[in-house]
Amino acid sequence: GAVVSQHPSWVICKSGTSVKIECRSLDFQATTMFWYRQFPKQSLMLMATSNEGSKATYEQGVEKDKFLINHASLTLSTLTVTSAHPEDSSFYICSATTWATGIRDADTQYFGPGTRLTVL
Amino acid sequence: RKEVEQDPGPFNVPEGATVAFNCTYSNSASQSFFWYRQDCRKEPKLLMSVYSSGNEDGRFTAQLNRASQYISLLIRDSKLSDSATYLCVVNENNDMRFGAGTRLTVKP
Repeated sequence: GAVVSQHPSWVICKSGTSVKIECRSLDFQATTMFWYRQFPKQSLMLMATSNEGSKATYEQGVEKDKFLINHASLTLSTLTVTSAHPEDSSFYICSATTWATGIRDADTQYFGPGTRLTVL
Repeated sequence: RKEVEQDPGPFNVPEGATVAFNCTYSNSASQSFFWYRQDCRKEPKLLMSVYSSGNEDGRFTAQLNRASQYISLLIRDSKLSDSATYLCVVNENNDMRFGAGTRLTVKP
């Protein structure tokens, strides 16, 4: 099956620093990647949709200048949390899909293992 | 109204029981549907895809009712390992919408 990796799996940082999270599709080309955030005991919340080679589309209420997304290739998207604060502490998960036509499971999302961010 | 709504949890069932979850969606043009399971502090994992009327995989059966705009997930002979949160996901014109999830606990 399709494999998506995330790095790092967990990170602890001081308030005010920036943290970059990488999301890679290892065995397929991901035309679209999604970034989610999940707080304890809550559902996934979509932050942004990232298409290769174009600007990310952010959900309402998500600050694009704080959460920088770069989807430079068909296998890599990065999320940078700039000037992180304790309230940014969360579980960040990416997913990838191909949207390829003619393929039955093309719109299936394959999730990375997540990155647990703790901001002190 | 939320775009995707799921049965409120938690569901607490004994081992061997049959349990069903429902998920309703608001956009009639939604194209495809998915059930994911998510274990505590882990990422969601795909359980089943639903493209037509339904899908069956072992003890799991998913059914789609386009007229009433809902999908269901049936788990037969539930196991302790089925304890998880089950997420309903709806593809609305390439926008993936998640339900809030239904928590299932299977007890011995």
